[in-house]
Amino acid sequence: GIQVEQSPPDLILQEGANSTLRCNFSDSVNNLQWFHQNPWGQLINLFYIPSGTKQNGRLSATTVATERYSLLYISSSQTTDSGVYFCAVGTNTGNQFYFGTGTSLTVIP
Amino acid sequence: DTEVTQTPKHLVMGMTNKKSLKCEQHMGHRAMYWYKQKAKKPPELMFVYSYEKLSINESVPSRFSPECPNSSLLNLHLHALQPEDSALYLCASSRDQFDSPYEQYFGPGTRLTVT
Repeated sequence: GIQVEQSPPDLILQEGANSTLRCNFSDSVNNLQWFHQNPWGQLINLFYIPSGTKQNGRLSATTVATERYSLLYISSSQTTDSGVYFCAVGTNTGNQFYFGTGTSLTVIP
Repeated sequence: DTEVTQTPKHLVMGMTNKKSLKCEQHMGHRAMYWYKQKAKKPPELMFVYSYEKLSINESVPSRFSPECPNSSLLNLHLHALQPEDSALYLCASSRDQFDSPYEQYFGPGTRLTVT
């Protein structure tokens, strides 16, 4: 299967700071999603972004499919941004998604 | 509506019990998934149903038995579990891999404790 690595594994930010999370994957994909997992375990869809750039409020994401990576930008971080961020990729060789290793973000006031 | 529902939210069961987890979606998705997630780890795929047929079984022990009664429902039957099976069990759904957008939506999960 596809290998998906995320960096950094852990991140601590002061409220108001900006950050960039990275997701590298080892093969071509036709799906890439970013999720935020809240403390109760719910996986919240942030972006569906197999290629290109999208923005939603303080969050934006860019996927460069030819170079096999995606970036998630968080600007003006808030304490409610705390949690674990996962990227997940899928291919057209079966309904199978591969999760990255995750980035645990803590935003302190 | 992009909601996937799961019941129960919490479940405590003994090693000799039989219980079932339930998942429902009404987005017309034809693929449904069960994942298992241990603390501080990413979700691990267990089963995939595509058009109500089991298409992927990631070598899951037979004490976990999935069932897809129709295109909206997915069950996971549990029997003779071990304490190490305690985890968060997540259900997800998506369109088929050849449909766009090929995007997964997750339910809130069932937190299972095996005593």
